[in-house]
Amino acid sequence: ETGVTQTPRHLVMGMTNKKSLKCEQHLGHNAMYWYKQSAKKPLELMFVYSLEERVENNSVPSRFSPECPNSSHLFLHLHTLQPEDSALYLCASSPGVTDTQYFGPGTRLTVL
Amino acid sequence: GEDVEQSLFLSVREGDSSVINCTYTDSSSTYLYWYKQEPGAGLQLLTYIFSNMDMKQDQRLTVLLNKKDKHLSLRIADTQTGDSAIYFCAELINAGNMLTFGGGTRLMVKP
Repeated sequence: ETGVTQTPRHLVMGMTNKKSLKCEQHLGHNAMYWYKQSAKKPLELMFVYSLEERVENNSVPSRFSPECPNSSHLFLHLHTLQPEDSALYLCASSPGVTDTQYFGPGTRLTVL
Repeated sequence: GEDVEQSLFLSVREGDSSVINCTYTDSSSTYLYWYKQEPGAGLQLLTYIFSNMDMKQDQRLTVLLNKKDKHLSLRIADTQTGDSAIYFCAELINAGNMLTFGGGTRLMVKP
């Protein structure tokens, strides 16, 4: 299943680094999402974009900055992260915000 | 607030049926989903059920929904070792356009 792709698949970064996660969907969907999956918590919704407009922001720290330049691409810019930000970051897309979501393979992020 | 709960582990023998259970609290959910996550991978949509249905069958998978008890289950017939994974249930609540996930059930299939 290659409808939703994410790069890189693995990322190790120091707390002072700046990096970006990329998500691309080839399904013609209008909504895209970022989720965080850490070991001891259920999946957490971070951001929702619909037609390139942010529609949901679940009190995510400002060190995470999303960008949606078009309906096919979604970025998550990272800066001055903390070790507790280490997690699997999953991107998803759906035709609309009330429709079934399809997930990418995730980026495994480790913050040293 | 919304809460979706699942048991943490389930262990079955190859060839047996597996039943993974999920309870939710928000009665305004529209769709309920089952996702599968294999090690190191993202979530794969397995099946979903609309909230006005009580059963859906798709090959080896049977989803049962009891709206009165807010209980969702996924039955996997003839479980195979390749079914070993973490299974997440999720509910879509129309009001907030949010997909709320359970904590996942790790299914282990023994040969």
